[in-house]
This record gives sequence, C-alpha cells and structure tokens, in this order.
Amino acid sequence: EDQVTQSPEALRLQEGESSSLNCSYTVSGLRGLFWYRQDPGKGPEFLFTLYSAGEEKEKERLKATLTKKESFLHITAPKPEDSATYLCAVQPSSGGYQKVTFGIGTKLQVIP
Amino acid sequence: NAGVTQTPKFRVLKTGQSMTLLCAQDMNHEYMYWYRQDPGMGLRLIHYSVGEGTTAKGEVPDGYNVSRLKKQNFLLGLESAAPSQTSVYFCASSFLTSGGARRAGEQYFGPGTRLTVT
Repeated sequence: EDQVTQSPEALRLQEGESSSLNCSYTVSGLRGLFWYRQDPGKGPEFLFTLYSAGEEKEKERLKATLTKKESFLHITAPKPEDSATYLCAVQPSSGGYQKVTFGIGTKLQVIP
Repeated sequence: NAGVTQTPKFRVLKTGQSMTLLCAQDMNHEYMYWYRQDPGMGLRLIHYSVGEGTTAKGEVPDGYNVSRLKKQNFLLGLESAAPSQTSVYFCASSFLTSGGARRAGEQYFGPGTRLTVT
C-alpha cells in the first residue's frame, strides 16, 4: 500500500528564517511526486512535480528536491504570505493515473 | 479562464436528504476527480472519470454516485445523506497529453464545497 508521511505536522517560522518540510513515501515504483499548497478554505494549488531521484524544482522562495525515499520542500527566507498547508502526494508507476496518495500536510505559519 | 469551479460553496443537509454537487472545468482536461478532505486525513478519492461518459470508483465510493455527460462537467450525487458524509468536497481535473502521460498527476482543484449533514 502506498504511504505518504509528512513532517512536521506544523511549523512556525519567523520571517526570513529558512527551513525544510519533509515528505517520506513508500510506493512500489514512483511515477511522480507532487507538492501542493493549500490556503485555509481553498482547494490545493499545484506547485511542483518531481519524477526521479536527484531532481530539483524551484519557484520563488520554494525549492523541492527528491531522493528515493523522501522529498524536501525548502523554504528560503519565508514571508508571511508563504503561510499555508503544504501537501505532498505520490503517484505509483503501476495502476491508473488516478491513483494518487496524498499526505496530511504540514501547516506552515510565518510570523512577521 | 475560470479553471475549476464548484457549486454550491456551502450546504447543510438533514440525514436522508439528497443533493448534487456540480463541478465545471474550462481547461479541456480529460480526467476529473471528486475527493473528500477530513481533519487528520489526506485527500481521499471518491470517484473519477477518464473522459466524457465514463466514471469509475475511487477509494471511498460508497454512498455517492457520479455522472459525466459532458467533458467539462462532473457531478457528484448523494442519494441519502448520512452524518458520516460531513466533509469538504473537492473537485479536480488533470490532462493527459500524447507525450505527457506523466502530467496526469498534476491536478487542478476547485475551491471546495463544505457539506454538513445533521
């Protein structure tokens, strides 16, 4: 069974204090790993797709990396507007494309 | 370009009542999905569709039905609502290009419907 575990559950940072969010996964063959951002009361917003170990993607203050067992979302010099819940999801290489397992998320709060 | 829209945004039902949630997307995506999100749990797939006129069960389909008569619309029905169906429901869509089967995992979500069943 595919599993996604995100840590920490919640993270409070001062503005400008860089940190990383972790996504550990178990899947029998990885087709893709996805990061989403979810603001309170809204739907998840797609951020990145990573396909293979060693791959990195960047967007503004966010950088996602991937190894064979986990992914990290690095947040550099965060701002209050980066406050949100960040979701990780994996898609196995076997089964249909609808087969995506989501983690519970890490709730990030950036304090001015 | 509105993306994925959902109606209604909020709804309160009594046990045993029925309702339909409507999802519409204007991105010409082939795949559409219905998820529910509950506290302490990841998004769980209820039903999905890989194209107009096709539907399939997801992880938690019991108590729900779906229809996709048009490519841009995906309806979720609750025939007899139960308190266990109190949740936030999200519709999502994704595309499948000829060379980009991988991108079917990039899902675009609607704003959600908050449903309470009393």
